[in-house]
Amino acid sequence: EDQVTQSPEALRLQEGESSSLNCSYTVSGLRGLFWYRQDPGKGPEFLFTLYSAGEEKEKERLKATLTKKESFLHITAPKPEDSATYLCAVTYGQNFVFGPGTRLSVLP
Amino acid sequence: DAGITQSPRHKVTETGTPVTLRCHQTENHRYMYWYRQDPGHGLRLIHYSYGVKDTDKGEVSDGYSVSRSKTEDFLLTLESATSSQTSVYFCASSRSGPLNTEAFFGQGTRLTVV
Repeated sequence: EDQVTQSPEALRLQEGESSSLNCSYTVSGLRGLFWYRQDPGKGPEFLFTLYSAGEEKEKERLKATLTKKESFLHITAPKPEDSATYLCAVTYGQNFVFGPGTRLSVLP
Repeated sequence: DAGITQSPRHKVTETGTPVTLRCHQTENHRYMYWYRQDPGHGLRLIHYSYGVKDTDKGEVSDGYSVSRSKTEDFLLTLESATSSQTSVYFCASSRSGPLNTEAFFGQGTRLTVV
């Protein structure tokens, strides 16, 4: 069964405590993997697109990586303003599916 | 940032009534989408459009219809609202198809069906 999962469901970090979020997928023919950030009461905001295993993208404290079965969103020295829900989405065949998200809280 | 607006932002309606949600984009994007977001389910695609008058069903299209008469406008209609359609609805647009480029989302419409 084609599936996109994210772990953990929720994560609490102290400011400056680096960690990683995981997006795992079991789909055939991955065409692209997207990361979005969603703040409470707002729509998702695009962060990155990854197309092939081994690819990496960086933006400020965030770094996304991709393997054949999963993607990681690494957060280095997070700040309270990084608190949000992080969503991954995959495209495969003619499908485009979002994962359930990881809710990140960064405490000062 | 892509200019994409949804209206209304909040709506309460009664079971059995028709409801129309509106989405307007100013980026001249070809593709537009309607999603619903529910706890435990994430974002699920309802319908999408790949051009004026060209639309197709998504994962959860039953009970919904859409129309796109102009590039900038995409309407979602709940033909006869039910309590299971209580949700937050997001509109999005993208320059090309969902397979290739990122989507830009509106702020969402919180719909409550009582």
